Amino acid sequence: EVQLVQSGAEVRRPGEALKVSCKSSGDTFSTSWIAWVRQMPGKGLELMGIIYSGDSDTRYSPSFQGHVTLSVDKSTSTAFLQWSSLKASDSAMYYCASGPSSGWYLDHWGQGTQVTVSS
Amino acid sequence: DIQMTQSPSSLSASVGDRVTVTCRASQSIAGYLNWYQHKTGKAPKLLIYAASSLQSGVPSRFSGSGSGTDFILTINSLQPEDFATYYCQQSHSSPWTIGQGTKVDIK
Repeated sequence: EVQLVQSGAEVRRPGEALKVSCKSSGDTFSTSWIAWVRQMPGKGLELMGIIYSGDSDTRYSPSFQGHVTLSVDKSTSTAFLQWSSLKASDSAMYYCASGPSSGWYLDHWGQGTQVTVSS
Repeated sequence: DIQMTQSPSSLSASVGDRVTVTCRASQSIAGYLNWYQHKTGKAPKLLIYAASSLQSGVPSRFSGSGSGTDFILTINSLQPEDFATYYCQQSHSSPWTIGQGTKVDIK
């Protein structure tokens, strides 16, 4: 059974960098899509982008292109979401999710990482 | 990008009711449509994939239908644990996109 465990809550100041992780258990990581999903306070889910862990093929949603970077480390079965310069509007809950390469859905989800950006 | 539009945005229902949520894609996505349930403070959960396939472990009162641009999630005999927000998501074209959500609350 795949489990995704995300890193803990973070508090940062505007302009700071941040890297959030999502570690997968199980043996399917190298053939999985990993998605990152944002939920701002009181709002719905937004799909930020997806990365295929086998070859790091990455697709960003236009709203997030250029502002975040997705990556994976196959040796540790870990996916990452990073910012080089946070804004206050990045304050949100962030979920990672995975799905099989043979399917086109997200069947495993992390518990979420709360990011707070405040001066 | 393909836009996903859900209706209604919210609805109130009673335990035992039959509930339907509609999702419309801005262009044809064949059957590449998934439904998720999200409860506050918890991780979202996959309910239906490929428009009509029930995810393992999901109660049979949940069902999905549709193809092309119009899709429906149906919950037969709503249970107390079904009060949540429901999202559709297309995986036909990159970037994958999610609908704005339908909140189902208690009447």
